[in-house]
Amino acid sequence: GAVVSQHPSWVICKSGTSVKIECRSLDFQATTMFWYRQFPKQSLMLMATSNEGSKATYEQGVEKDKFLINHASLTLSTLTVTSAHPEDSSFYICSAREPADTGELFFGEGSRLTVL
Amino acid sequence: GQNIDQPTEMTATEGAIVQINCTYQTSGFNGLFWYQQHAGEAPTFLSYNVLDGLEEKGRFSSFLSRSKGYSYLLLKELQMKDSASYLCAAMDSNYQLIWGAGTKLIIKP
Repeated sequence: GAVVSQHPSWVICKSGTSVKIECRSLDFQATTMFWYRQFPKQSLMLMATSNEGSKATYEQGVEKDKFLINHASLTLSTLTVTSAHPEDSSFYICSAREPADTGELFFGEGSRLTVL
Repeated sequence: GQNIDQPTEMTATEGAIVQINCTYQTSGFNGLFWYQQHAGEAPTFLSYNVLDGLEEKGRFSSFLSRSKGYSYLLLKELQMKDSASYLCAAMDSNYQLIWGAGTKLIIKP
């Protein structure tokens, strides 16, 4: 199957700093990527849908100024958590769907963010 | 509203069979997905059903009834490595995935 790579896998930062997470589709072009957040023992929560060359679509309750998403190319989307706080500590996962597919999503490995 | 229901936790014995049920209510329907997620890892794709019936893939099978808004994931010959959370997700008319909370499956020797 297709490969989606996410980086970094783990990140620890101080409160108030910004953290950037990258999501790359390695062997296919992804016009749409999805960013999820998952708190311990909870399901995935869609944060936003990232569309190449246009603004991301954020889910209700997700602050677009805090979670900046850039999808500048067909193989790369980035999520920047600005002015991170301890409550932003979570597992962030991206996924991408091949354009001509049944709709199967391919997930990145996930990025665990810990804000001190 | 849109909603996915699946049991929170199930326990089964190694070598046995377990069925994880999922009911869904969505605005339109473009398929039902099952994903497996081990603790601390990203989900991995198991199956996709869009037509009624049973799809078999090795030890795992998935069933869909569109008229009933119901699906199940059947795991046979359970192995300890099958201990994980199993996520049910339905795709609505906008091709957005609506996720269930996941079923934590505990396998006992």
